[in-house]
Amino acid sequence: GEDVEQSLFLSVREGDSSVINCTYTDSSSTYLYWYKQEPGAGLQLLTYIFSNMDMKQDQRLTVLLNKKDKHLSLRIADTQTGDSAIYFCAESPPLNYGGSQGNLIFGKGTKLSVKP
Amino acid sequence: NAGVTQTPKFRVLKTGQSMTLLCAQDMNHEYMYWYRQDPGMGLRLIHYSVGEGTTAKGEVPDGYNVSRLKKQNFLLGLESAAPSQTSVYFCATREGGAYEQYFGPGTRLTVT
Repeated sequence: GEDVEQSLFLSVREGDSSVINCTYTDSSSTYLYWYKQEPGAGLQLLTYIFSNMDMKQDQRLTVLLNKKDKHLSLRIADTQTGDSAIYFCAESPPLNYGGSQGNLIFGKGTKLSVKP
Repeated sequence: NAGVTQTPKFRVLKTGQSMTLLCAQDMNHEYMYWYRQDPGMGLRLIHYSVGEGTTAKGEVPDGYNVSRLKKQNFLLGLESAAPSQTSVYFCATREGGAYEQYFGPGTRLTVT
């Protein structure tokens, strides 16, 4: 079955880089996503990567995908206190594959704490 | 352009009461989803809809019903609330053929 695993906590100092890791099991997943959730708020899409890519960069964010190992990571450069949040990794099986209708399979989230 | 809105933002119910959560979108998206988020559990899919007049069960549908009478609205109903349904409920939408989902701000429900 589908499963997405993440470590639950990460603590870094302001200005350092943060790396949040995720593993997934469904090798047919088409897109992989990173969402950010601030306390009491909804989910904000940070970035996503298509499964035929191995890297995507967007300003301070770098996503690395190792499809062979089913490993996804999110690197945040120059981490700021405003980056403190829960970060969710999610996968999306191909549409109409195994009954999928584009719903996302989420990990449990990694709580990032940034210390000044 | 409000995107995805959810009503209400907060609600406290007693066991056995019923209520309806409303998700509204102004993006003309075909697909709509209801997820629940529990501490340490990530988000789990309750029900979804692939278009007006259609609904289908997700991973955790028991105790919930849904309706999609209008394309822009997706309603989630609890007929007889239970404490196990205490959660934060998120609605999401997706355009047909696209993979990106847009989330609403959530509804925090407590059942006592």
